[in-house]
Amino acid sequence: EAGVVQSPRYKIIEKKQPVAFWCNPISGHNTLYWYRQNLGQGPELLIRYENEEAVDDSQLPKDRFSAERLKGVDSTLKIQPAELGDSAVYLCASSLLRGWETQYFGPGTRLLVL
Amino acid sequence: DAKTTQPTSMDCAEGRAANLPCNHSTISGNEYVYWYRQIHSQGPQYIIHGLKNNETNEMASLIITEDRKSSTLILPHATLRDTAVYYCIDLRSQGNLIFGKGTKLSVKP
Repeated sequence: EAGVVQSPRYKIIEKKQPVAFWCNPISGHNTLYWYRQNLGQGPELLIRYENEEAVDDSQLPKDRFSAERLKGVDSTLKIQPAELGDSAVYLCASSLLRGWETQYFGPGTRLLVL
Repeated sequence: DAKTTQPTSMDCAEGRAANLPCNHSTISGNEYVYWYRQIHSQGPQYIIHGLKNNETNEMASLIITEDRKSSTLILPHATLRDTAVYYCIDLRSQGNLIFGKGTKLSVKP
């Protein structure tokens, strides 16, 4: 079974540039999560989707971050414009359902903003 | 913020049991204890979870104290590939994982 797929794996951009990350969850998984992980810290939830609906985006910085999950499958997380402090690893995870279900994580996208 | 506390780092000799402690003194009666680990440059990986009974799977064993205020993850025969950051998480309502800094386990030959 294929795991959670993320691309790109690495991205280097200059500040004020836009950037987008893509995630393809495990087939059949209804819930999709985006996390951000700063160096030396644990992952922090940015947004959770149940199918195509964003049910928890309380931690998403909405002035510059946006996300979408069209058709309830793939998802894209965008930053526009990027700031130096956005340098981090962006992780996508999926689960069959929300709540107590095990979350499966992708390898992440490592973003460096110069 | 995470409601669990873990040691920052631990060492373990290869082939020996690794015992990773976690305090979750404010855990509610219906909150599970989850363990994930993160190997360098990879995403977190689920290990095991439990409510009040001890649990065992092919990866590890989870021992939860009777008062549920603490637990221990046991890797019975640690290998070099078990070197990772181990996160203990009490799963709150809505199913959102709240990660702390975890314990960096170094398995040494």
